[in-house]
Amino acid sequence: AQSVTQPDIHITVSEGASLELRCNYSYGATPYLFWYVQSPGQGLQLLLKYFSGDTLVQGIKGFEAEFKRSQSSFNLRKPSVHWSDAAEYFCAVGGRPGGTSYGKLTFGQGTILTVHP
Amino acid sequence: GAGVSQSPSNKVTEKGKDVELRCDPISGHTALYWYRQRLGQGLEFLIYFQGNSAPDKSGLPSDRFSAERTGESVSTLTIQRTQQEDSAVYLCASSPRQGARTEAFFGQGTRLTVV
Repeated sequence: AQSVTQPDIHITVSEGASLELRCNYSYGATPYLFWYVQSPGQGLQLLLKYFSGDTLVQGIKGFEAEFKRSQSSFNLRKPSVHWSDAAEYFCAVGGRPGGTSYGKLTFGQGTILTVHP
Repeated sequence: GAGVSQSPSNKVTEKGKDVELRCDPISGHTALYWYRQRLGQGLEFLIYFQGNSAPDKSGLPSDRFSAERTGESVSTLTIQRTQQEDSAVYLCASSPRQGARTEAFFGQGTRLTVV
């Protein structure tokens, strides 16, 4: 069964500092990988996604993520955090065609990001 | 509509009552998901519909929970004999079948409070 682990429940950074949110997954092959953001009072919004090809993917709001097959990781990064980035971030895994979990999206527990001025 | 629509946005119900939550997916989206998000917790998978295939019900927490979807349209999630631990935000998402990509688009959720 596919699963996602986000080891950090809560991260605090200063505005302007760099950010890395960790995500590790368990899947029989290379899954589809996603990062979503949930701002207070808002719905979930897709930040970026990885399906295949270049392992470094760019997303909205200046975020990027790198797929590392050897580490089963898909960490989210941003070089300089803005106060408006304070939110909860979810990593998700999607099953590829032909697998038993095809189409199923599994989310991690989320990481809450607090940004200090 | 332009996005995934869920109704009601808020529901307060008495313990023991049944509730129905509704989800209107994006037109043309074949996949539909229900998730539960308890306060301060992550998204808990409940059920997944993909076209005319049998739904994946592996996440439903008990037989009090059920969901239906007719074709590729509206879905309803029913919780019978509600309990206080059912209090949560119930999120619905839909996704297109474009080369089997599984990017999901989420609704705003239904906040259920069982008193």
